Amino acid sequence: DAKTTQPPSMDCAEGRAANLPCNHSTISGNEYVYWYRQIHSQGPQYIIHGLKNNETNEMASLIITEDRKSSTLILPHATLRDTAVYYCIVHPAPIKAAGNKLTFGGGTRVLVKP
Amino acid sequence: NAGVTQTPKFRVLKTGQSMTLLCAQDMNHEYMYWYRQDPGMGLRLIHYSVGEGTTAKGEVPDGYNVSRLKKQNFLLGLESAAPSQTSVYFCASDRQGRTGELFFGEGSRLTVL
Repeated sequence: DAKTTQPPSMDCAEGRAANLPCNHSTISGNEYVYWYRQIHSQGPQYIIHGLKNNETNEMASLIITEDRKSSTLILPHATLRDTAVYYCIVHPAPIKAAGNKLTFGGGTRVLVKP
Repeated sequence: NAGVTQTPKFRVLKTGQSMTLLCAQDMNHEYMYWYRQDPGMGLRLIHYSVGEGTTAKGEVPDGYNVSRLKKQNFLLGLESAAPSQTSVYFCASDRQGRTGELFFGEGSRLTVL
């Protein structure tokens, strides 16, 4: 799987948009970009994923650059409950009977401040 | 719908003791995984299973054994616990053919003295 690079930490203001960057310059054509978050002491939670196009769901938006070498997760209106570690993961499309063996690196520790 | 349930949530062992962590999912998922997370670090894959009766090694399998006798359950065993196995263990599951949307349990905190 391609390696990802994220800033170790960032702060954002409550109510403002939080933009979390991720660099994946060695991504392959069949690899997806996934975002998960882990709120303190809890299991990781899936947020969103994408291949080429930008994606949006009820939690966040994912913007992938045209060359796919980087992406940004956008939390449109950050709340205190969004304080968590956010993981950017790159992984190939699933192969039948191979599982989705995601690799969780260090992530970005996001602190939402009042 | 309980999702992924791990038992026990906390356990303290002495070096050399054995124990089993149970993971149960009620979503009829084919794939199941066991990860460990050490303080301040990301998650590392221990073992995984792509279906009932099958298991495979992940990134850090040494010192652990697993079994998937029933589709809904994935057991992680420590035959002779060591202090290096002090960690938080997370189980996850997902559906075959779906792209990487794993559902995680709440974790099991294990301390080996």
